[in-house]
Amino acid sequence: EAGVAQSPRYKIIEKRQSVAFWCNPISGHATLYWYQQILGQGPKLLIQFQNNGVVDDSQLPKDRFSAERLKGVDSTLKIQPAKLEDSAVYLCASSPVDTQYFGPGTRLTVL
Amino acid sequence: SQQGEEDPQALSIQEGENATMNCSYKTSINNLQWYRQNSGRGLVHLILIRSNEREKHSGRLRVTLDTSKKSSSLLITASRAADTASYFCATDDSGGGADGLTFGKGTHLIIQP
Repeated sequence: EAGVAQSPRYKIIEKRQSVAFWCNPISGHATLYWYQQILGQGPKLLIQFQNNGVVDDSQLPKDRFSAERLKGVDSTLKIQPAKLEDSAVYLCASSPVDTQYFGPGTRLTVL
Repeated sequence: SQQGEEDPQALSIQEGENATMNCSYKTSINNLQWYRQNSGRGLVHLILIRSNEREKHSGRLRVTLDTSKKSSSLLITASRAADTASYFCATDDSGGGADGLTFGKGTHLIIQP
């Protein structure tokens, strides 16, 4: 079974630029999550989708972050404009019921 | 904010010994999960224990849950070099359809040959 796919794996940008990350969940998983993991900390939930609807985005900084899941499959997370403190690994996960399966993540460095 | 707090923050043991990590959390939960993370394989799910369960086993892993103390422990028996990684506890503490996980800061485990 193919796992959660993410791209790109690495991205370096300058502050105030915009960036987008892509996630393809495991086939058949209705629920998709985006997490932010800052170095030395555990992942923090940004947004949860059920099919193509948002279930929880209470921790998403909506002034600069946006996410969508068109057609209930792939998802993109965008940051515009990026700040230095956005440097982190962005993890996508999908779930059929309880257990969440994580992708390899995108490591973002903001200079 | 982070729900879980793992203890210790770092642990170094000899190969073959047992490793125990603890997790404390603050609010009522639906379930608690343990994940392993290393640079090679990202975050890997290890085991899930529900709020009405007290103990669960999976291979060399044993997890306990004490909801009265809001704590959990992960025991890895007969450790191997490949067990070197960071271990996180994560709680599903949301109601309704929202079940995003709240992670702790993790325990960094080093297995010395």
